Amino acid sequence: DTGVSQNPRHKITKRGQNVTFRCDPISEHNRLYWYRQTLGQGPEFLTYFQNEAQLEKSRLLSDRFSAERPKGSFSTLEIQRTEQGDSAMYLCASSQLGGPFYGYTFGSGTRLTVV
Amino acid sequence: AQKITQTQPGMFVQEKEAVTLDCTYDTSDQSYGLFWYKQPSSGEMIFLIYQGSYDEQNATEGRYSLNFQKARKSANLVISASQLGDSAMYFCAMRDFPNTGNQFYFGTGTSLTVIP
Repeated sequence: DTGVSQNPRHKITKRGQNVTFRCDPISEHNRLYWYRQTLGQGPEFLTYFQNEAQLEKSRLLSDRFSAERPKGSFSTLEIQRTEQGDSAMYLCASSQLGGPFYGYTFGSGTRLTVV
Repeated sequence: AQKITQTQPGMFVQEKEAVTLDCTYDTSDQSYGLFWYKQPSSGEMIFLIYQGSYDEQNATEGRYSLNFQKARKSANLVISASQLGDSAMYFCAMRDFPNTGNQFYFGTGTSLTVIP
């Protein structure tokens, strides 16, 4: 169990550029989540996958955001035409399905800075 | 509506002392879970402790305990015998299973500084 891995750790991009982040969950976890955390705030839910199916999306996930999880393994989060307001920490988490408690295991996040 | 409220932006505690971090929550559901996470400067969210709404006993995990007062809708985290490595951001979070069981609601966090 190597934990949840996120790449890159840091990304600086110019406004208007597209960026893509990757998340590799714990191998036996079938649920994968994306959260966004801005400075001074707690994480906010963006979307989640059960296996390869994207089952829920937050209204925070605008049309410029797209997430995929092909084959139910790793996931990518793409932001098109980045804006300065997209600057944040993007956190990925995974969990196992089932039970009243399935705590998340978070990755270390990708910090995005849009200049 | 704000589901999780953490009213202490920053807290200081002397090494080896105990500290309580406050958390209140808002839900109309009967079935929910309350969590505390630690976020050091590295950015990773580290799970600390969990309390289910039907659990009658307060949860404990090593030096962490959760003071759960259901009627007051509070779930305060108590850290005993503080260590320098406890300096970090602490987030309270909730899942209310019937309605939004697939996402957590987080508070704005409390920054804890342990003083040697």
